[in-house]
Amino acid sequence: SQTIHQWPATLVQPVGSPLSLECTVEGTSNPNLYWYRQAAGRGLQLLFYSVGIGQISSEVPQNLSASRPQDRQFILSSKKLLLSDSGFYLCAFYKAGPSYNEQFFGPGTRLTVL
Amino acid sequence: QKEVEQDPGPLSVPEGAIVSLNCTYSNSAFQYFMWYRQYSRKGPELLMYTYSSGNKEDGRFTAQVDKSSKYISLFIRDSQPSDSATYLCAMRIAGFQKLVFGTGTRLLVSP
Repeated sequence: SQTIHQWPATLVQPVGSPLSLECTVEGTSNPNLYWYRQAAGRGLQLLFYSVGIGQISSEVPQNLSASRPQDRQFILSSKKLLLSDSGFYLCAFYKAGPSYNEQFFGPGTRLTVL
Repeated sequence: QKEVEQDPGPLSVPEGAIVSLNCTYSNSAFQYFMWYRQYSRKGPELLMYTYSSGNKEDGRFTAQVDKSSKYISLFIRDSQPSDSATYLCAMRIAGFQKLVFGTGTRLLVSP
């Protein structure tokens, strides 16, 4: 079966420190992958999506970057964190099922920047 | 104006009540409509998926789409405390995988 993993689950980082969040998918090949940020009361904001290795599309210009070094690995990074980078980061992949063809989410990483 | 509007709640109901959650949207090109359920500090999980207009039922859950009014609903019958969560509506255009989400409605079902 297809599963998605994220780590770490929680992270507390000081302002100005670097960031690396990892997402991996199992049970599928060449998935479309997505990074979202969820801030309180603001819903899900699409940050990046990738249709293949090395192919990254950015939805919102910001302090973050994404990379896809392997087919089923998606990484979200920052060189210097800002307070406004705090939030719940979710990775998702596109999954086709018997009655659907939609995005499925990982467990998320809660990032607090102090 | 946001593309998708959703009342943030919270919506508080007693156990056993019928719950109605709603979203309105502005883009008439949306054809696929989803409801995701998100428990506190967890990732969203796909709950209901519908294409175009009409109703879809799955157990205690019914998803309804009215494209003429640009209005979608999720009904929960015989609500349970375990239904307490945030419900996110999402939609997309055919041929595109990008989802547009509502901000979510927080539902609290008290025993």
